[in-house]
Amino acid sequence: DADVTQTPRNRITKTGKRIMLECSQTKGHDRMYWYRQDPGLGLRLIYYSFDVKDINKGEISDGYSVSRQAQAKFSLSLESAIPNQTALYFCATSEWTSGHTDTQYFGPGTRLTVL
Amino acid sequence: GDSVTQMEGPVTLSEEAFLTINCTYTATGYPSLFWYVQYPGEGLQLLLKATKADDKGSNKGFEATYRKETTSFHLEKGSVQVSDSAVYFCAPPDLFGNEKLTFGTGTRLTIIP
Repeated sequence: DADVTQTPRNRITKTGKRIMLECSQTKGHDRMYWYRQDPGLGLRLIYYSFDVKDINKGEISDGYSVSRQAQAKFSLSLESAIPNQTALYFCATSEWTSGHTDTQYFGPGTRLTVL
Repeated sequence: GDSVTQMEGPVTLSEEAFLTINCTYTATGYPSLFWYVQYPGEGLQLLLKATKADDKGSNKGFEATYRKETTSFHLEKGSVQVSDSAVYFCAPPDLFGNEKLTFGTGTRLTIIP
């Protein structure tokens, strides 16, 4: 079984709809991240969480919110989806080793299309 | 703040050619450095890493040496294969204190038979 799973894998929705993307991990890591990937813009950080009680905004948090329900679960919500949020979304986890972020483990991605 | 500068792509090479993808970084302290690879239709996965200066990370024939004096972590492979076609990301240093962390666009590598 995959260590980091994302649901759904694909989603098509309409402008204005509320969408939740879910991420679960079995690696036991405290740190979790949400990224979006766009052609020509690369992989950008949306939100990150160092533990259940610590959530931080990334580079492009506007229009998104997150919830860390447990160590293993980190959800990303789009309260009112808009077309420019069409992208590939990745969840990742990592450990904190010797005072530094260690290897990040990525989920398979969720392809979101907002019409 | 901490950051990386990675060679722009795309890069197209013939099979068995030598590959170098440049990556330089600025960081406070000496963080671990990473190269990730994204194969078509998949998420990113760790290719190799180095945890301290002069360390050499290696995996699948790829190598990168953590050079403190030139603040570089260039990715190299002596003889590339078609299966190496992917997007390669030099990962930014530690997240600590840098909420604008980003992997950037990566370098798209295409190997021609």
